Parts: sequence; C-alpha cells; structure tokens
Amino acid sequence: GAVVSQHPSWVICKSGTSVKIECRSLDFQATTMFWYRQFPKQSLMLMATSNEGSKATYEQGVEKDKFLINHASLTLSTLTVTSAHPEDSSFYICSARLLANEQFFGPGTRLTVL
Amino acid sequence: AQSVTQPDIHITVSEGASLELRCNYSYGATPYLFWYVQSPGQGLQLLLKYFSGDTLVQGIKGFEAEFKRSQSSFNLRKPSVHWSDAAEYFCAVGAGFQKLVFGTGTRLLVSP
Repeated sequence: GAVVSQHPSWVICKSGTSVKIECRSLDFQATTMFWYRQFPKQSLMLMATSNEGSKATYEQGVEKDKFLINHASLTLSTLTVTSAHPEDSSFYICSARLLANEQFFGPGTRLTVL
Repeated sequence: AQSVTQPDIHITVSEGASLELRCNYSYGATPYLFWYVQSPGQGLQLLLKYFSGDTLVQGIKGFEAEFKRSQSSFNLRKPSVHWSDAAEYFCAVGAGFQKLVFGTGTRLLVSP
C-alpha cells in the first residue's frame, strides 16, 4: 500500500515550452502533496506544498508563476513548468502525505530542457 | 530554523562489515525523524522513522537507528552490509506543517 506514481518518468522539451508532471496516490487519498526538486548529487529541496482544493504554498525563492501547481482531486497533483529553460532541468519528486508527518514518495521525473 | 546535517558525503564499507551513517538535527521541538534510501534515478524509500517512544527504531532491510536527544543525533546502523545496500541515504526531520527538511545525503559504496 501507499504507492505514489509520477508521469512521465522522464521528459525532454525545448526551451520556452511548458511541461506538466503528474503525481498520483494510487491506493490512498492525500489532501496534501509535496513537490521537491533535486539537482545532481544534491539533496531534495521542497518547492511547494499542494493542498487539495486550495492554492499551493510555495517555499521562499520558488516562482509560483513559473511552477504552477494544481491539486484538483484527492489523488492527483500536477506541476507545470511554464516557459521552461535549461536551468529548470532537474529531477522533480513528489510525495503524498498519508498520515501526520509521514510522506510517501513518487519515483521522480527527470526533466531536460534543451 | 530546522536543519539536518549529514557530515559524511560518502562512505565505503566492505561487504559484510557493519555500517553507521551519521545524522544530526536542529529543531526546537520534539522532532519527527526519518531515514530514506534512494537508488540512482529513483524516488525515496522510507527505511525507518522515529516519532516517540523507544529511542531504538527498527526499520526495513535490517536497518536500525537510535535517537539520542542529548546529542541531537539519529544515526543509522546496519550490522552487516550487502552489496545491494549501495545507494544514497538521506536523513530528514519533520518540520512545521508536516514539511520535511532533508540532509545533504550520504552515498554508500560497498566494496567486495
């Protein structure tokens, strides 16, 4: 149980285009999901907290107009990277909260912007 | 602000030898502490967690960790390492609003 999926697992796009990444909790409902970014050989940095039915809460320094988050249902949150640039290339990981203070992580999405 | 320090960037251990990965945290209240493992190009898998109670926590794959409040530490241990344990290990502390703050990670290499 407590499985989280992400789609796609990897994506390559041209600079200036937008990319949508989906995060799904497969066997549980999650009112809260989180989006992280991980650079090569570095740790995970929290980008935003996604709450079902309300606006996401972004961490300091994260551009909310560039990283659009939608949490339209209890099992799906999406992250859209708008007008992507090469510096947005990274590994994006989502997690879903099942119980207080316990998160289950998706397998990650590798984004490469050319 | 809460923070997590993993002082060892990478560690090499011989297969069959014991392992200890260090983690120190800074948090004003009683911490929720976690250890995760990440294989290359993969997401994170929870090894174990500490919320309260017994300070020695057992996890999956033969791992355990001990919470020491006086030292602000939550070190991960395994008595006998297997080659399949080679991966990146992250310690994390649960902060406000259930956010997690991660350490910088320790890469474990297992030599034959």
